[in-house]
Amino acid sequence: DAGITQSPRYKITETGRQVTLMCHQTWSHSYMFWYRQDLGHGLRLIYYSAAADITDKGEVPDGYVVSRSKTENFPLTLESATRSQTSVYFCASNSRSGEKLFFGSGTQLSVL
Amino acid sequence: GQNIDQPTEMTATEGAIVQINCTYQTSGFNGLFWYQQHAGEAPTFLSYNVLDGLEEKGRFSSFLSRSKGYSYLLLKELQMKDSASYLCAVLTGANNLFFGTGTRLTVIP
Repeated sequence: DAGITQSPRYKITETGRQVTLMCHQTWSHSYMFWYRQDLGHGLRLIYYSAAADITDKGEVPDGYVVSRSKTENFPLTLESATRSQTSVYFCASNSRSGEKLFFGSGTQLSVL
Repeated sequence: GQNIDQPTEMTATEGAIVQINCTYQTSGFNGLFWYQQHAGEAPTFLSYNVLDGLEEKGRFSSFLSRSKGYSYLLLKELQMKDSASYLCAVLTGANNLFFGTGTRLTVIP
Protein backbone atom coordinates (compact mmCIF):
# COMPACT_ATOMS: atom_id res chain seq x y z
CA ASP A 1 0.00 0.00 0.00
CA ALA A 2 2.14 2.88 -1.32
CA GLY A 3 -0.43 5.58 -0.46
CA ILE A 4 0.59 9.09 -1.27
CA THR A 5 4.19 9.95 -2.08
CA GLN A 6 5.95 13.22 -2.67
CA SER A 7 9.26 13.95 -4.34
CA PRO A 8 11.79 15.27 -3.80
CA ARG A 9 11.94 15.17 -0.01
CA TYR A 10 14.34 18.13 0.07
CA LYS A 11 15.05 20.73 -2.59
CA ILE A 12 17.31 23.75 -2.71
CA THR A 13 16.91 26.16 -5.58
CA GLU A 14 17.74 29.73 -6.50
CA THR A 15 15.53 32.74 -6.91
CA GLY A 16 14.02 32.90 -10.38
CA ARG A 17 14.34 29.22 -11.19
CA GLN A 18 11.41 27.00 -12.05
CA VAL A 19 10.87 24.03 -9.78
CA THR A 20 8.28 21.26 -9.80
CA LEU A 21 7.18 19.27 -6.78
CA MET A 22 5.66 15.89 -7.50
CA CYS A 23 2.76 14.14 -5.82
CA HIS A 24 1.49 10.65 -6.62
CA GLN A 25 -1.28 8.65 -4.96
CA THR A 26 -2.26 5.03 -5.49
CA TRP A 27 -5.76 5.10 -3.97
CA SER A 28 -7.55 6.64 -6.98
CA HIS A 29 -8.76 9.42 -4.71
CA SER A 30 -10.76 12.04 -6.57
CA TYR A 31 -9.54 15.02 -4.58
CA MET A 32 -5.98 16.19 -4.25
CA PHE A 33 -4.59 19.24 -2.46
CA TRP A 34 -1.40 21.23 -2.07
CA TYR A 35 -0.68 22.97 1.24
CA ARG A 36 2.29 24.94 2.49
CA GLN A 37 3.31 25.05 6.14
CA ASP A 38 5.21 27.97 7.64
CA LEU A 39 6.03 28.96 11.21
CA GLY A 40 3.32 31.20 12.59
CA HIS A 41 0.80 30.04 10.03
CA GLY A 42 -1.37 27.00 9.86
CA LEU A 43 -1.33 24.79 6.82
CA ARG A 44 -2.50 27.00 3.98
CA LEU A 45 -4.18 25.70 0.86
CA ILE A 46 -2.46 26.59 -2.41
CA TYR A 47 -4.50 24.66 -4.99
CA TYR A 48 -6.82 21.72 -5.07
CA SER A 49 -8.30 19.40 -7.66
CA ALA A 50 -11.64 17.61 -7.64
CA ALA A 51 -10.79 15.29 -10.54
CA ALA A 52 -8.53 14.99 -13.56
CA ASP A 53 -8.44 18.27 -15.51
CA ILE A 54 -10.33 20.13 -12.75
CA THR A 55 -8.29 22.45 -10.54
CA ASP A 56 -9.11 25.46 -8.41
CA LYS A 57 -7.31 28.09 -6.38
CA GLY A 58 -6.98 27.95 -2.64
CA GLU A 59 -5.99 30.61 -0.15
CA VAL A 60 -2.45 31.36 -1.43
CA PRO A 61 -2.21 30.46 -5.15
CA ASP A 62 -0.03 33.33 -6.44
CA GLY A 63 3.25 32.17 -7.97
CA TYR A 64 2.14 28.55 -8.31
CA VAL A 65 0.77 26.47 -11.16
CA VAL A 66 -0.81 23.02 -11.01
CA SER A 67 -2.02 20.45 -13.47
CA ARG A 68 -3.85 17.15 -13.20
CA SER A 69 -3.78 15.22 -16.43
CA LYS A 70 -4.05 11.89 -14.57
CA THR A 71 -6.04 11.12 -11.43
CA GLU A 72 -2.99 9.83 -9.56
CA ASN A 73 -0.63 12.76 -10.17
CA PHE A 74 -0.85 16.36 -9.04
CA PRO A 75 2.40 18.28 -9.64
CA LEU A 76 2.97 21.75 -8.24
CA THR A 77 5.19 24.15 -10.19
CA LEU A 78 6.81 27.33 -8.96
CA GLU A 79 7.32 29.19 -12.22
CA SER A 80 9.90 31.66 -10.88
CA ALA A 81 10.82 30.81 -7.30
CA THR A 82 11.05 33.56 -4.69
CA ARG A 83 12.50 33.47 -1.16
CA SER A 84 9.01 33.83 0.28
CA GLN A 85 8.22 30.42 -1.20
CA THR A 86 10.71 28.75 1.12
CA SER A 87 8.42 26.41 3.02
CA VAL A 88 7.39 22.83 3.65
CA TYR A 89 4.91 21.67 1.04
CA PHE A 90 2.39 18.91 1.71
CA CYS A 91 0.29 17.11 -0.81
CA ALA A 92 -2.93 15.49 0.43
CA SER A 93 -5.86 13.53 -0.94
CA ASN A 94 -9.29 12.22 -0.03
CA SER A 95 -11.91 10.20 -1.81
CA ARG A 96 -14.96 12.29 -0.98
CA SER A 97 -15.66 15.90 -0.23
CA GLY A 98 -15.35 16.64 3.49
CA GLU A 99 -13.57 13.42 4.43
CA LYS A 100 -10.31 13.27 6.36
CA LEU A 101 -7.18 14.08 4.42
CA PHE A 102 -4.27 11.73 3.85
CA PHE A 103 -0.99 13.62 3.66
CA GLY A 104 2.26 12.88 1.88
CA SER A 105 5.56 13.13 3.75
CA GLY A 106 6.22 16.65 2.55
CA THR A 107 8.85 18.47 0.52
CA GLN A 108 11.12 20.92 2.30
CA LEU A 109 11.94 23.65 -0.23
CA SER A 110 14.60 26.29 0.27
CA VAL A 111 14.85 29.19 -2.17
CA LEU A 112 18.18 31.01 -1.90
CA GLY B 1 -12.64 36.05 7.46
CA GLN B 2 -11.46 32.87 9.09
CA ASN B 3 -9.77 32.60 12.47
CA ILE B 4 -8.76 29.65 14.63
CA ASP B 5 -7.09 30.10 18.00
CA GLN B 6 -5.11 27.43 19.82
CA PRO B 7 -2.41 27.72 22.47
CA THR B 8 1.04 27.74 20.91
CA GLU B 9 2.69 25.39 23.39
CA MET B 10 1.74 23.12 26.28
CA THR B 11 3.70 20.85 28.59
CA ALA B 12 2.30 17.89 30.50
CA THR B 13 3.60 14.96 32.51
CA GLU B 14 3.66 11.35 31.37
CA GLY B 15 0.56 9.53 32.60
CA ALA B 16 -1.43 12.72 33.08
CA ILE B 17 -4.40 14.17 31.18
CA VAL B 18 -4.13 17.24 28.95
CA GLN B 19 -6.81 19.30 27.23
CA ILE B 20 -5.98 21.32 24.11
CA ASN B 21 -8.52 24.01 23.34
CA CYS B 22 -9.52 25.43 19.98
CA THR B 23 -11.83 28.35 19.31
CA TYR B 24 -12.92 29.32 15.84
CA GLN B 25 -14.72 32.03 13.93
CA THR B 26 -15.31 30.99 10.35
CA SER B 27 -17.64 31.96 7.54
CA GLY B 28 -18.95 28.42 7.27
CA PHE B 29 -18.92 25.25 9.33
CA ASN B 30 -19.22 21.69 8.10
CA GLY B 31 -17.20 19.97 10.79
CA LEU B 32 -14.01 20.16 12.84
CA PHE B 33 -10.95 17.96 12.55
CA TRP B 34 -7.99 17.30 14.81
CA TYR B 35 -4.70 16.13 13.32
CA GLN B 36 -1.47 15.05 15.01
CA GLN B 37 1.86 16.03 13.53
CA HIS B 38 5.19 14.77 14.84
CA ALA B 39 8.20 16.95 14.11
CA GLY B 40 9.37 16.55 10.52
CA GLU B 41 6.43 14.33 9.59
CA ALA B 42 3.07 14.63 7.89
CA PRO B 43 -0.15 15.39 9.77
CA THR B 44 -2.27 12.34 10.54
CA PHE B 45 -5.99 12.28 11.28
CA LEU B 46 -7.11 11.98 14.90
CA SER B 47 -10.79 12.91 15.11
CA TYR B 48 -13.77 14.55 13.46
CA ASN B 49 -16.76 16.29 15.05
CA VAL B 50 -19.74 17.67 13.19
CA LEU B 51 -22.39 17.49 15.94
CA ASP B 52 -22.15 18.90 19.46
CA GLY B 53 -20.78 16.56 22.06
CA LEU B 54 -17.93 14.25 22.85
CA GLU B 55 -16.36 11.71 20.51
CA GLU B 56 -14.17 9.14 22.25
CA LYS B 57 -11.52 7.05 20.57
CA GLY B 58 -9.25 5.17 22.94
CA ARG B 59 -7.02 7.57 24.87
CA PHE B 60 -8.15 10.49 22.70
CA SER B 61 -11.47 12.35 22.90
CA SER B 62 -12.70 15.42 21.08
CA PHE B 63 -15.50 17.76 22.07
CA LEU B 64 -17.45 20.28 20.02
CA SER B 65 -19.81 23.13 20.87
CA ARG B 66 -20.98 24.79 17.66
CA SER B 67 -22.88 27.57 19.44
CA LYS B 68 -19.69 28.60 21.29
CA GLY B 69 -17.31 28.03 18.36
CA TYR B 70 -15.26 25.81 20.64
CA SER B 71 -13.61 22.43 20.57
CA TYR B 72 -11.10 20.60 22.69
CA LEU B 73 -8.93 17.54 22.31
CA LEU B 74 -8.44 15.48 25.45
CA LEU B 75 -5.49 13.15 25.74
CA LYS B 76 -5.49 10.68 28.63
CA GLU B 77 -2.69 8.54 30.07
CA LEU B 78 -0.10 10.61 28.27
CA GLN B 79 2.84 8.81 26.74
CA MET B 80 6.16 10.20 25.58
CA LYS B 81 5.17 9.44 21.99
CA ASP B 82 2.28 11.91 22.32
CA SER B 83 4.81 14.75 22.12
CA ALA B 84 3.75 16.36 18.84
CA SER B 85 1.84 19.28 17.39
CA TYR B 86 -1.94 19.08 17.40
CA LEU B 87 -3.73 20.88 14.60
CA CYS B 88 -7.32 22.06 14.81
CA ALA B 89 -8.99 22.51 11.42
CA VAL B 90 -12.46 23.66 10.41
CA LEU B 91 -14.22 22.46 7.27
CA THR B 92 -15.63 25.74 6.02
CA GLY B 93 -17.04 24.54 2.72
CA ALA B 94 -17.63 21.29 0.89
CA ASN B 95 -13.95 20.40 0.92
CA ASN B 96 -12.20 23.54 2.17
CA LEU B 97 -10.24 22.83 5.35
CA PHE B 98 -8.89 25.83 7.27
CA PHE B 99 -6.14 25.03 9.78
CA GLY B 100 -5.09 26.68 13.01
CA THR B 101 -1.40 27.22 13.72
CA GLY B 102 -1.22 24.16 15.96
CA THR B 103 -0.36 23.45 19.59
CA ARG B 104 3.03 21.92 20.32
CA LEU B 105 2.68 19.48 23.20
CA THR B 106 5.72 18.32 25.13
CA VAL B 107 5.33 15.32 27.42
CA ILE B 108 7.90 15.15 30.21
CA PRO B 109 8.78 12.15 32.39
